Amino acid sequence: ETGVTQSPTHLIKTRGQQVTLRCSSQSGHNTVSWYQQALGQGPQFIFQYYREEENGRGNFPPRFSGLQFPNYSSELNVNALELDDSALYLCASSGQGASTEAFFGQGTRLTVV
Amino acid sequence: KQEVTQIPAALSVPEGENLVLNCSFTDSAIYNLQWFRQDPGKGLTSLLLIQSSQREQTSGRLNASLDKSSGRSTLYIAASQPGDSATYLCAVRPGGTYKYIFGTGTRLKVLA
Repeated sequence: ETGVTQSPTHLIKTRGQQVTLRCSSQSGHNTVSWYQQALGQGPQFIFQYYREEENGRGNFPPRFSGLQFPNYSSELNVNALELDDSALYLCASSGQGASTEAFFGQGTRLTVV
Repeated sequence: KQEVTQIPAALSVPEGENLVLNCSFTDSAIYNLQWFRQDPGKGLTSLLLIQSSQREQTSGRLNASLDKSSGRSTLYIAASQPGDSATYLCAVRPGGTYKYIFGTGTRLKVLA
């Protein structure tokens, strides 16, 4: 039991719509990262939040945005959905420091039709 | 640019065999390396974390080694079981960043 929970587990959206995915970090963890995993690929880093501020971003367009709340939970928002956004979205939480272990949630499977 | 490669991409073995999964990375400047297990359509389960100053970590039937200078890590699974069937992902945390760079994984099938 990692303690990282994501919601919803699955959802289907239409191209052009907007979506919000949610993540509750493990107790005591103040850092949340989001990853996108396409079928058959390894996860790709989207961005990371530390104490409510974005402190790192991967190669994703601005229509991917996020938030972190005072309780360290986080949201990933994707605007103007495209078919290629269909993927498993993973949230990871970790404690402070680069050497700490990352724990992942079960993911949200997004299908864009 | 850090790149992570995992070989083989897929592996099928009979139950009881000892096996080795390989991970290589191009830049030795890393904070740590983490091995994960992923069941189909599910999230990632952390197996072992090796800090850059460590050579190996063990947990039960799993042993992971790290040779930073050669950019290699191996995950050794002893006495494999059908329940070990999953995709195994290797990820490195490059120095100066907080993100992980993942390989594409090794899909393992252990036959009963």
